[in-house]
Amino acid sequence: GAVVSQHPSWVICKSGTSVKIECRSLDFQATTMFWYRQFPKQSLMLMATSNEGSKATYEQGVEKDKFLINHASLTLSTLTVTSAHPEDSSFYICSARDSSVKHGYTFGSGTRLTVV
Amino acid sequence: GENVEQHPSTLSVQEGDSAVIKCTYSDSASNYFPWYKQELGKGPQLIIDIRSNVGEKKDQRIAVTLNKTAKHFSLHITETQPEDSAVYFCAASNEGSARQLTFGSGTQLTVLP
Repeated sequence: GAVVSQHPSWVICKSGTSVKIECRSLDFQATTMFWYRQFPKQSLMLMATSNEGSKATYEQGVEKDKFLINHASLTLSTLTVTSAHPEDSSFYICSARDSSVKHGYTFGSGTRLTVV
Repeated sequence: GENVEQHPSTLSVQEGDSAVIKCTYSDSASNYFPWYKQELGKGPQLIIDIRSNVGEKKDQRIAVTLNKTAKHFSLHITETQPEDSAVYFCAASNEGSARQLTFGSGTQLTVLP
């Protein structure tokens, strides 16, 4: 089945630094990728949608200059949290969709970001 | 936009009993309804999904029903086991327009041994 690999699984960084999270579709071409944020005991909140080769579409309230998304190829999307602060600490999850087959949405394993 | 409501938020059942989680959606254009299981510290895993052209789908101990008229769908888990304990999310989307999934608020299922 479709597999999405997300790295790193966890990261600790200092306030003010930037962190990059990678999301790769291993056995299919992901024409669309989604980035979610999840706080403890809450649901997944969509941050942005990216289509390969075009700019990401951000949800209301999500700062595009803080959460940089790049979807340069059909198998790789990255989320960079710039100038991270403790309030950015959260669980970040990517999801990829292959529109060539009716396979739904495949999720990565998530990245636990802790900003100290 | 789409709005998905999920109930209950927590559910405890005895091992071997059945568990039912219910969701309602608002957008009649939604045609794809997946259910995800999320274990602590992990990403959601698809356990079953249903599309709007069918009313019921079953996979071993798991089944999903869909009532398009009432705009609600339910997850049924029979013969529950302790390893079924997790958070379950329902979601809805319009596959044709490649819209993103809209998630329910989640249900913490605990299966007591």
